[in-house]
Amino acid sequence: EAGVVQSPRYKIIEKKQPVAFWCNPISGHNTLYWYLQNLGQGPELLIRYENEEAVDDSQLPKDRFSAERLKGVDSTLKIQPAELGDSAVYLCASSRTGTYYNEQFFGPGTRLTVL
Amino acid sequence: AQRVTQPEKLLSVFKGAPVELKCNYSYSGSPELFWYVQYSRQRLQLLLRHISRESIKGFTADLNKGETSFHLKKPFAQEEDSAMYYCALSGAGSYQLTFGKGTKLSVIP
Repeated sequence: EAGVVQSPRYKIIEKKQPVAFWCNPISGHNTLYWYLQNLGQGPELLIRYENEEAVDDSQLPKDRFSAERLKGVDSTLKIQPAELGDSAVYLCASSRTGTYYNEQFFGPGTRLTVL
Repeated sequence: AQRVTQPEKLLSVFKGAPVELKCNYSYSGSPELFWYVQYSRQRLQLLLRHISRESIKGFTADLNKGETSFHLKKPFAQEEDSAMYYCALSGAGSYQLTFGKGTKLSVIP
């Protein structure tokens, strides 16, 4: 099993530029999560998908962040325009369902640096 | 609102000594608690969850609803236990996993 795949692993951009992160979940996992992890903090949920539907996006800053999961498999998270405060690690995770006790499997993360 | 507190940012213990990583939570309903671990240069992974009531790599955690705690314990620390440990909570029906800030465990040889 390959695990959750994320790309790129590292991204450095200047402020006001757009950036996109890609995630491929574990095969068969219907639920996909995007988390934001700031330095010295635990991961914080941005958005949760059940198949292709965003069922919880209450924590996503919709003025500059957007996400999609076309066909219910891969997902893309976009920031436009990026701000200095967006520098963080963006984690993708997946699980078989959104059941609250199910194990979430995490990807390696994308470390974003905004200059 | 649900909240997880890990009071120690860093915990250093000698090899063979007992380990206790503290976790306190705030949640009005019936929570499900987890411990996730991140070893150096590896991804975040599940260590154990309350619902399974299991011991993984010698670690155990007991949910104490009276004290709203879910401390992680191991009787004899090993060098390979050095890692970042995150306590997390999910409430029935909320599906949202809320993480604490994490505790870095360093086991001194």
